[in-house]
Amino acid sequence: AQKVTQAQTEISVVEKEDVTLDCVYETRDTTYYLFWYKQPPSGELVFLIRRNSFDEQNEISGRYSWNFQKSTSSFNFTITASQVVDSAVYFCALKSMDSGNTPLVFGKGTRLSVIA
Amino acid sequence: EAGVTQSPTHLIKTRGQQATLRCSPISGHTSVYWYQQALGLGLQFLLWYDEGEERNRGNFPPRFSGRQFPNYSSELNVNALELEDSALYLCASSLVLGSEQYFGPGTRLTVT
Repeated sequence: AQKVTQAQTEISVVEKEDVTLDCVYETRDTTYYLFWYKQPPSGELVFLIRRNSFDEQNEISGRYSWNFQKSTSSFNFTITASQVVDSAVYFCALKSMDSGNTPLVFGKGTRLSVIA
Repeated sequence: EAGVTQSPTHLIKTRGQQATLRCSPISGHTSVYWYQQALGLGLQFLLWYDEGEERNRGNFPPRFSGRQFPNYSSELNVNALELEDSALYLCASSLVLGSEQYFGPGTRLTVT
């Protein structure tokens, strides 16, 4: 079975602090994809990144960076110099590919509040 | 390029009634997914359609059903509404299997 765990339910930081959102996944498949989505108060989920299981290279996009480690089954997300606009619920998700038509499995989300 | 669109934005129904929610995917996307996001329960996978066929469904009763039309738009029907069906229903589309899903703004269903 596939599972995604986001142990941090809520995080509160002061603007300009760095913050890391944790994501741990479980799957027996060798081929899979990992995703991060942002859900601002408006409700619409915004796609942030996709990473496949064969690519452990870390990625940086502006103030966002992602650390993928297969050895610990983790795909953590760091926001550098956080801003109030980063306040949202962030979801990590897993799509296993070996088993065919398996759906995207989401973690329960981490609510990030950035205080000015 | 237009994103995923959903209608209506809000829907208020009475217990026992039926609700119909609609979704139009991004142009060129053939897969459509439906999720339920109830308060405090995260995103629960409901249904997945691809090329007009139902590919998978989540752990929901049969009164949750849907279909995908030849133009790849989709409809979610919820029969015999219950109070606990009150939630944000999100639709997403993707280009190919494994690619990222793009979400619409959702339909907030309230059952009274």
